[in-house]
Amino acid sequence: EAGVAQSPRYKIIEKRQSVAFWCNPISGHATLYWYQQILGQGPKLLIQFQNNGVVDDSQLPKDRFSAERLKGVDSTLKIQPAKLEDSAVYLCASSYDGLPPDTQYFGPGTRLTVL
Amino acid sequence: AQTVTQSQPEMSVQEAETVTLSCTYDTSESDYYLFWYKQPPSRQMILVIRQEAYKQQNATENRFSVNFQKAAKSFSLKISDSQLGDAAMYFCAYRSAGNTPLVFGKGTRLSVIA
Repeated sequence: EAGVAQSPRYKIIEKRQSVAFWCNPISGHATLYWYQQILGQGPKLLIQFQNNGVVDDSQLPKDRFSAERLKGVDSTLKIQPAKLEDSAVYLCASSYDGLPPDTQYFGPGTRLTVL
Repeated sequence: AQTVTQSQPEMSVQEAETVTLSCTYDTSESDYYLFWYKQPPSRQMILVIRQEAYKQQNATENRFSVNFQKAAKSFSLKISDSQLGDAAMYFCAYRSAGNTPLVFGKGTRLSVIA
């Protein structure tokens, strides 16, 4: 079974530029999560999708971050314009909507550096 | 809101020895799940072990076991016969019942000394 795929693995941009990250969840997983992990901290949820609908985006800085999950499969997270404090690892995770505890499986992450 | 606290930023253990990583959490819920994830330098979050709150029996996965104390809201991870490959960041995480996101602690960096 293929795992969660993410790209790119690394990205370096200057502040005020835009950037996009891509995630392909495990086949059949209806729920997809984007987490932000700042250096030295645990991951924090940015947005949760179930199929192609948003379940929770309360922690997403909507003035600069946007995310979509067209057709309920792949997802894209965008930052525009980027700030220095957006430097972090962006993790995508997916889970199957079956019997609990519905373990979340993580992708390898994208390390973003904003200069 | 639920919170997860890992009070040990760093730990070290000799190869083949046993180490215990601590985790406490705060919640008013009665039904929830607890997890330990391992994050090596590659950044991939790997599930180590999980525990359902309604189960009294402590979960075990090979060399990894937990000590789940529901009343004390404590969830420690014991790694037996430590191996060099166990060196990584370890995160304790909480999840409410239902399809909800994980709440993570700040992590414990484990070093294994040969």
